[in-house]
Amino acid sequence: EAGVAQSPRYKIIEKRQSVAFWCNPISGHATLYWYQQILGQGPKLLIQFQNNGVVDDSQLPKDRFSAERLKGVDSTLKIQPAKLEDSAVYLCASSFAGIRDPEQYFGPGTRLTVT
Amino acid sequence: GDSVTQMEGPVTLSEEAFLTINCTYTATGYPSLFWYVQYPGEGLQLLLKATKADDKGSNKGFEATYRKETTSFHLEKGSVQVSDSAVYFCAFYSSASKIIFGSGTRLSIRP
Repeated sequence: EAGVAQSPRYKIIEKRQSVAFWCNPISGHATLYWYQQILGQGPKLLIQFQNNGVVDDSQLPKDRFSAERLKGVDSTLKIQPAKLEDSAVYLCASSFAGIRDPEQYFGPGTRLTVT
Repeated sequence: GDSVTQMEGPVTLSEEAFLTINCTYTATGYPSLFWYVQYPGEGLQLLLKATKADDKGSNKGFEATYRKETTSFHLEKGSVQVSDSAVYFCAFYSSASKIIFGSGTRLSIRP
């Protein structure tokens, strides 16, 4: 079974530039998550989708971050414009829907460096 | 609010040593508890979990027991190997249906 795919694996940009990350979840997983993991901290949930609808985006900085999941499969996370404090690893995860406390399967992440 | 406090790292041990990584949580009710592991260059993966008080989760020689009285979920392994070198995250499933992670503990095992 293929795992969660993410690209790119690494990205370096200057502040005020834009960047986009892509995620392809495990086939059949209706729920998709984006996390931000700052160095030395645990992952923090940014946004959760069920199919192509947003379930929780309470911790997404909506003035600069946006995410979409068209057709309920792949997802993109965008930052525009980037700030220095956005330097982090961005993790995508997916899980089955409709199960209490579902196991989340994580991708390898995209390491973003903002200079 | 919901939070997880776990042992700060890095933790460095010799091969075959006994491992304990402490974890305590603050949450509403009795959430499911998890340990996730992140090996170098790989994504987070679930190591073990426990869903109710006194449950013991186990996998790959690691164990953790859900202690309701002390709101703890300490990770243990009797004899660590070099291949156990990784970052370990304690976490729980909150009442808001999201996973709350600790800050992680980096473990390094010397041959």
